[in-house]
Amino acid sequence: DVKVTQSSRYLVKRTGEKVFLECVQDMDHENMFWYRQDPGLGLRLIYFSYDVKMKEKGDIPEGYSVSREKKERFSLILESASTNQTSMYLCASASGGSSGANVLTFGAGSRLTVL
Amino acid sequence: SQQGEEDPQALSIQEGENATMNCSYKTSINNLQWYRQNSGRGLVHLILIRSNEREKHSGRLRVTLDTSKKSSSLLITASRAADTASYFCATATLGGNNRKLIWGLGTSLAVNP
Repeated sequence: DVKVTQSSRYLVKRTGEKVFLECVQDMDHENMFWYRQDPGLGLRLIYFSYDVKMKEKGDIPEGYSVSREKKERFSLILESASTNQTSMYLCASASGGSSGANVLTFGAGSRLTVL
Repeated sequence: SQQGEEDPQALSIQEGENATMNCSYKTSINNLQWYRQNSGRGLVHLILIRSNEREKHSGRLRVTLDTSKKSSSLLITASRAADTASYFCATATLGGNNRKLIWGLGTSLAVNP
């Protein structure tokens, strides 16, 4: 059963802490994505990666960075967590290039609370 | 930026009834996708319809696309309690990067036993 695995379902961190959210996919997909989901705001794209070591900013990259050292793993980093980063974080992967149909496979989500 | 707008925002029906939810979008698209999200979980892809298609079926799901009205509808027939979830549409903009889908805010569907 193909899947996207997010390392933590629930995290509680303090303001100013560095936070790592890990995501691994086993489908050999080129593309990986990090979204955050907030009530009333829907899904907003933070960053995506279309190849190893390649990344592109999404709609709300401020306060976040990403790392993709291996094809199967895409990490989201909050350098200094703030309370407004309390959210549900969703990782997804997809095959296909920029012109192909990108059907996303999502992980179960990581709910981050920053105190 | 949010392009898709689903309506209604919330829908409550009885088991066995049909559920229809709609999605409108603003720019020309390559394709439109529907996803389901169970409470507190990740999203699951349901169906993709391309801009040159008008209707598509998958099991109890029927999706229509009207590019002249920039709208799509998702029909779930003979609904079940397990269909209770939020449903999102996502569009890939024509001429844009298909990796950057534009998402609606979702329709919350409650199917009562």
